[in-house]
Amino acid sequence: QQQVKQSPQSLIVQKGGISIINCAYENTAFDYFPWYQQFPGKGPALLIAIRPDVSEKKEGRFTISFNKSAKQFSLHIMDSQPGDSATYFCAASATGGYNKLIFGAGTRLAVHP
Amino acid sequence: DTGVSQDPRHKITKRGQNVTFRCDPISEHNRLYWYRQTLGQGPEFLTYFQNEAQLEKSRLLSDRFSAERPKGSFSTLEIQRTEQGDSAMYLCASSLAGQAFFGQGTRLTVV
Repeated sequence: QQQVKQSPQSLIVQKGGISIINCAYENTAFDYFPWYQQFPGKGPALLIAIRPDVSEKKEGRFTISFNKSAKQFSLHIMDSQPGDSATYFCAASATGGYNKLIFGAGTRLAVHP
Repeated sequence: DTGVSQDPRHKITKRGQNVTFRCDPISEHNRLYWYRQTLGQGPEFLTYFQNEAQLEKSRLLSDRFSAERPKGSFSTLEIQRTEQGDSAMYLCASSLAGQAFFGQGTRLTVV
């Protein structure tokens, strides 16, 4: 019940394309869903986050779509750039993010020029 | 730099030795978390503090691991009698209003 399942494991996108990463969860107590971006040798950096009272949140080229009934959420990266090449992690937490984060296994994104 | 700071960035130790890592959170953040990340995996929760109180410990945190946060400021994570399986990136994060910000991590290699 604590797991967050993330797919795909790896993704190759052409420059300018849309990158889509999906996550699913089981624990209905989760109420905060952030996405983190991690470059090699660095710590994860918070990218964007959503709470279940909205179905979509957009920040620049990054959009989270959230489907509460399906217990799924996804990250869309529009106009993907080579600089977006990194590992992306979805996560979930209960009590609005104040509790521990449960992370997915990660998606390695490569954006080819 | 006002981000989460971790020291050292890299540590190589021999099996059986003790190691200690330090984390300095963002100054006004009252919650501090430790995670462990192995290659190709997402971070796994180890423990967290609210101010100086340690509120939760994962079952991953064996009795060889101990964490402290004296006075609710910086935190230390000590691993006693290190094993090769302890080799990982140890990440610290701090938060104030639910958003967690991570440090650069300490890469531990046990040889």
